[in-house]
Amino acid sequence: AQSVTQLGSHVSVSEGALVLLRCNYSSSVPPYLFWYVQYPNQGLQLLLKYTTGATLVKGINGFEAEFKKSETSFHLTKPSAHMSDAAEYFCAVSEGPGGFKTIFGAGTRLFVKA
Amino acid sequence: DARVTQTPRHKVTEMGQEVTMRCQPILGHNTVFWYRQTMMQGLELLAYFRNRAPLDDSGMPKDRFSAEMPDATLATLKIQPSEPRDSAVYFCASATGSNQPQHFGDGTRLSIL
Repeated sequence: AQSVTQLGSHVSVSEGALVLLRCNYSSSVPPYLFWYVQYPNQGLQLLLKYTTGATLVKGINGFEAEFKKSETSFHLTKPSAHMSDAAEYFCAVSEGPGGFKTIFGAGTRLFVKA
Repeated sequence: DARVTQTPRHKVTEMGQEVTMRCQPILGHNTVFWYRQTMMQGLELLAYFRNRAPLDDSGMPKDRFSAEMPDATLATLKIQPSEPRDSAVYFCASATGSNQPQHFGDGTRLSIL
């Protein structure tokens, strides 16, 4: 069965600092992995996705994530935080081709201090 | 950009009333999901459809909730009778497949008094 664990329900960084949001997954088959962002009073929006191929995935707004099979991790990073990055971030996993469900993590709220 | 449209955006009603939430998925998307989001439970999958057929509604309280897709351009989620514990934000999402990126609407914020 698939599962997703996001480490830290809240993360606070200073503007300009590195953003690191952690995600570990469990899947019995090669997974598809996603990061979504949710701004207040809006639905989730796709930041990036990993299916197959290159393990470093670049997304929108300067975010990227690295798929590490040996660590079953898919951490999200951004070199320099901006105030507009303050939002909630969700990691998600699905079972790849033929899979039926996408499982979302509990979310990490990112605070950015001026 | 194509968007998932949900109506109404806000709904306040009294306990016991019927509530209907509507969703227009993105044209060409054959998979539709309904989620509920609360502070306590986070994002919960209620039901999902592929090609208008329900594939999984195990996350939905069967006695009061129902989900349908009368046609490819409309998905509905009904609660009857509504209870205060149903207060939440309900999201609809659509995708080109079950494990493809999902496109979310902006949600219906439901308050049951």
